[in-house]
Amino acid sequence: AAGVIQSPRHLIKEKRETATLKCYPIPRHDTVYWYQQGPGQDPQFLISFYEKMQSDKGSIPDRFSAQQFSDYHSELNMSSLELGDSALYFCASSEGTGNYGYTFGSGTRLTVV
Amino acid sequence: AQSVAQPEDQVNVAEGNPLTVKCTYSVSGNPYLFWYVQYPNRGLQFLLKYITGDNLVKGSYGFEAEFNKSQTSFHLKKPSALVSDSALYFCAVRAPNDYKLSFGAGTTVTVRA
Repeated sequence: AAGVIQSPRHLIKEKRETATLKCYPIPRHDTVYWYQQGPGQDPQFLISFYEKMQSDKGSIPDRFSAQQFSDYHSELNMSSLELGDSALYFCASSEGTGNYGYTFGSGTRLTVV
Repeated sequence: AQSVAQPEDQVNVAEGNPLTVKCTYSVSGNPYLFWYVQYPNRGLQFLLKYITGDNLVKGSYGFEAEFNKSQTSFHLKKPSALVSDSALYFCAVRAPNDYKLSFGAGTTVTVRA
């Protein structure tokens, strides 16, 4: 079965650089969620999109932005990267509000040096 | 605001013994509850969910969880643990009128042979 695809799997960037993370949801899933998991931390909600519109916003820094495109894939853009941005970034998708469950991708591990 | 508490950072059991991972939640309205498992450097894998219906939910890999509304708990259980169950387990909750999941801090399960 198709899963949530995230790219790249690993990313190394220097401080103050920019990174773009991509997420391709399961077919027919119209909602995408982004989470950040720091070392030894639980996943923290960043932002979500439903039908290409932002549906909720969590603890996402102003340096980050995201959008969902017409094919429902989503991109998380991160600028002026800081060392503290090093984390595992998860994308999840669901059909609607997730009543049938959420499927998570394998994550993108971002390392800022 | 919704929140999840996993009171134990670590749970250690011998293979073949019962495994319980505790979770309590706080949410407005009827909760949507989930358990996920995470292996090192991997994404979150869905185990089971409770939205409505029977309080005892059966999920993947022989896991089950019991929803207890009066105690606001959703403990994960497995009658006979395997070494391969050693992983990080997250409980998550969602409010009925919300999109996003809120995660607990996670419980590291170690099953010794």
